[in-house]
Amino acid sequence: GAVVSQHPSWVICKSGTSVKIECRSLDFQATTMFWYRQFPKQSLMLMATSNEGSKATYEQGVEKDKFLINHASLTLSTLTVTSAHPEDSSFYICSGEARGFYNEQFFGPGTRLTVL
Amino acid sequence: RKEVEQDPGPFNVPEGATVAFNCTYSNSASQSFFWYRQDCRKEPKLLMSVYSSGNEDGRFTAQLNRASQYISLLIRDSKLSDSATYLCVVNYPTSGTYKYIFGTGTRLKVLA
Repeated sequence: GAVVSQHPSWVICKSGTSVKIECRSLDFQATTMFWYRQFPKQSLMLMATSNEGSKATYEQGVEKDKFLINHASLTLSTLTVTSAHPEDSSFYICSGEARGFYNEQFFGPGTRLTVL
Repeated sequence: RKEVEQDPGPFNVPEGATVAFNCTYSNSASQSFFWYRQDCRKEPKLLMSVYSSGNEDGRFTAQLNRASQYISLLIRDSKLSDSATYLCVVNYPTSGTYKYIFGTGTRLKVLA
């Protein structure tokens, strides 16, 4: 299957700082990328959907000014958690959908964010 | 009502047992259906897509019932390595794009 990488894999930061997470599709072009958040013992919750070159579509309840998503190319999307707080501590996972492989998502390994 | 509902389990079964999971979805416009497997602290991995005619992949069989809006996953001859959380995923079109909705997952523990 296609490969998606995420960086960093884990990060610990102080409250009030911003954290950028990168999601890269390594061997395919991801026309659409999805960002999810998963709290312990809960399922993945879709945060936003982004298509290359256009603004992300955020799910209800997700603050677009807090979670900045940029999908500048077909192989890279970034999620920036601005002014992070302890309640933002979570497992953030991205996925990419390849052109021609509709309805199949390829997930990154996730980024574990801990805000102190 | 949740868009995708699953029994969280855990299902504790002995090795070699057959176990079945069900999942219901609320949006009748749903188009695609999947079972994913997620190990602790890892990303989900696609186990299989679910087709209307039902499909089988080795020890795993998936079924879709559109009329009743549920999908199922059957695992035969359970192995210790099958222990994981199984996520039901449904995809439907919305506002010119589409969304994937994940169930909360069903935990399976296969015991020696």
